Amino acid sequence: GENVEQHPSTLSVQEGDSAVIKCTYSDSASNYFPWYKQELGKGPQLIIDIRSNVGEKKDQRIAVTLNKTAKHFSLHITETQPEDSAVYFCVGGSNYKLTFGKGTLLTVNP
Amino acid sequence: GAGVSQTPSNKVTEKGKYVELRCDPISGHTALYWYRQSLGQGPEFLIYFQGTGAADDSGLPNDRFFAVRPEGSVSTLKIQRTERGDSAVYLCASSFQRGDGETQYFGPGTRLLVL
Repeated sequence: GENVEQHPSTLSVQEGDSAVIKCTYSDSASNYFPWYKQELGKGPQLIIDIRSNVGEKKDQRIAVTLNKTAKHFSLHITETQPEDSAVYFCVGGSNYKLTFGKGTLLTVNP
Repeated sequence: GAGVSQTPSNKVTEKGKYVELRCDPISGHTALYWYRQSLGQGPEFLIYFQGTGAADDSGLPNDRFFAVRPEGSVSTLKIQRTERGDSAVYLCASSFQRGDGETQYFGPGTRLLVL
């Protein structure tokens, strides 16, 4: 099955700085890579996703890149704000069975 | 519109007891999923329903776990003879149709504590 590795496990940045989270996956059949944000006591919320036929996608302050050859993908958040503080999960999948990374706890310090 | 809802939000039970966790998916979503999230980990897939039938239950850890979706909408996850290791957050998600590459919308979860 799919195996998704995510790092770093924790990340602390100053407000306004950028944050980068990197992931690798094992299953070359994976073609769908969503990113979820989870706030304390809440369920995961989709923030952006990318499919295997695209190398990069951007939505305002958030961008994702995908390198299928190397089997890695990453999340970039620019101009971070305190409300960006949460746990972020990268996810790999080729069908309905999503495989989550272990998560990155992002803390944005005012 | 309303999102995925789950009840109860918290459940404390004693080892050996039976529990039921309920999920109400987004109206019109035909696909429904259950995940389990242990402390400090990402959610792990348990089971996937397409309509009323369980299309894939390969993630259920053992035969103490069972889930139903009799009318193709609300789903119930049932755990028999609970063990302390069952303590986790149980998340439900739904998507509009067949799961491949469809956005899965998650509920807030049920936090289960087995004493």
